[in-house]
Amino acid sequence: AQKITQTQPGMFVQEKEAVTLDCTYDTSDQSYGLFWYKQPSSGEMIFLIYQGSYDEQNATEGRYSLNFQKARKSANLVISASQLGDSAMYFCAMRAGRVSGGYNKLIFGAGTRLAVHP
Amino acid sequence: EAGVTQSPTHLIKTRGQQATLRCSPISGHTSVYWYQQALGLGLQFLLWYDEGEERNRGNFPPRFSGRQFPNYSSELNVNALELEDSALYLCASSLRGKDEQYFGPGTRLTVT
Repeated sequence: AQKITQTQPGMFVQEKEAVTLDCTYDTSDQSYGLFWYKQPSSGEMIFLIYQGSYDEQNATEGRYSLNFQKARKSANLVISASQLGDSAMYFCAMRAGRVSGGYNKLIFGAGTRLAVHP
Repeated sequence: EAGVTQSPTHLIKTRGQQATLRCSPISGHTSVYWYQQALGLGLQFLLWYDEGEERNRGNFPPRFSGRQFPNYSSELNVNALELEDSALYLCASSLRGKDEQYFGPGTRLTVT
């Protein structure tokens, strides 16, 4: 079964510090994709970063980086130099593969609420 | 470049009625996805349309249906509304063959 697990319901971080949001996944597919989205209180899901299962290098997008450890099935999001505007819900998601029949649908974790304190 | 747009922003219906939600993808994107974010249930995949056809469907009853138009915009219809259909409905789009899905602002459906 495909599953995304985010074990941290809530996290606090001081402004300008780095924070790591945990994500583990379970899949029997060889080809899959991993995503992180940010959802502010307005409700819109903002795409942050993507990692393909065959990508050897960890993905980076500005202050966001994805710490991809395939053997451990983890895809943690690292936010460097936190800003007050980073306060939001963060969702880890997986694009299931064709073999499992879940082709192209995203499976989401329960989310982590991040609060950035001044 | 305009992002994914959804209308209406809010929709209030009574139980048993039908709701129609609309989505316009990013220009050049041919795939449209619908997700439901209900309180306590998280984000769940509903439907995927590409090139006008339904390609994949989540674990939802048949009263959830939709279509994709020749201009790639999409419509989600929910018939015989139930109280538990109250949720934020998010639409996403992607380029053909690409994994990245970009979401719209959502339609908040309230069923009373």
